[in-house]
Amino acid sequence: RKEVEQDPGPFNVPEGATVAFNCTYSNSASQSFFWYRQDCRKEPKLLMSVYSSGNEDGRFTAQLNRASQYISLLIRDSKLSDSATYLCVVNMDAAGNKLTFGGGTRVLVKP
Amino acid sequence: DTEVTQTPKHLVMGMTNKKSLKCEQHMGHRAMYWYKQKAKKPPELMFVYSYEKLSINESVPSRFSPECPNSSLLNLHLHALQPEDSALYLCASSQQTGYEYGYTFGSGTRLTVV
Repeated sequence: RKEVEQDPGPFNVPEGATVAFNCTYSNSASQSFFWYRQDCRKEPKLLMSVYSSGNEDGRFTAQLNRASQYISLLIRDSKLSDSATYLCVVNMDAAGNKLTFGGGTRVLVKP
Repeated sequence: DTEVTQTPKHLVMGMTNKKSLKCEQHMGHRAMYWYKQKAKKPPELMFVYSYEKLSINESVPSRFSPECPNSSLLNLHLHALQPEDSALYLCASSQQTGYEYGYTFGSGTRLTVV
């Protein structure tokens, strides 16, 4: 089993629609979770941290389910510019020293 | 300044060459990282530096040699690489190592070994 697992997609989303996808992680002791966005041939950029209580940043909502060991990202009112690969990232090291990336979920928003 | 700057952006090197990748940040971050990313794959951790000391080496071959001259700079020295080492090399930094800190990535060096 991979340490951090994501549906690779692609998720084809009509503009204005809502899309949601999950990420599962293997280490129940993991302490911190992030969503990064990566555009083609660009570096990953931090989209948002994921907190236990869930958090929202504009059209983006992240949730954490520790019991089932997954995090989720929901994008409302999708824009064409939301097309990207979304990387689930988990800090799995006991000292918090390293991030482990999931394989990414590709989202394509179409007119 | 909220950037991590990497140079060069592109590098083509022969298998007998020696080259270096450079990374610089002026955000006062005390943790810096090297990641390797192959096409259509996620980034994979290579090295972690915390307060200028190497804290994690993910069993990286010795043909990759990291160096942290000071808190703002991180180098990756390359020697006798193989074609399979061709990849995007990403540098990142964070305030410190630790659970709550997200990383800022540089735009990477796209390396081709011929």
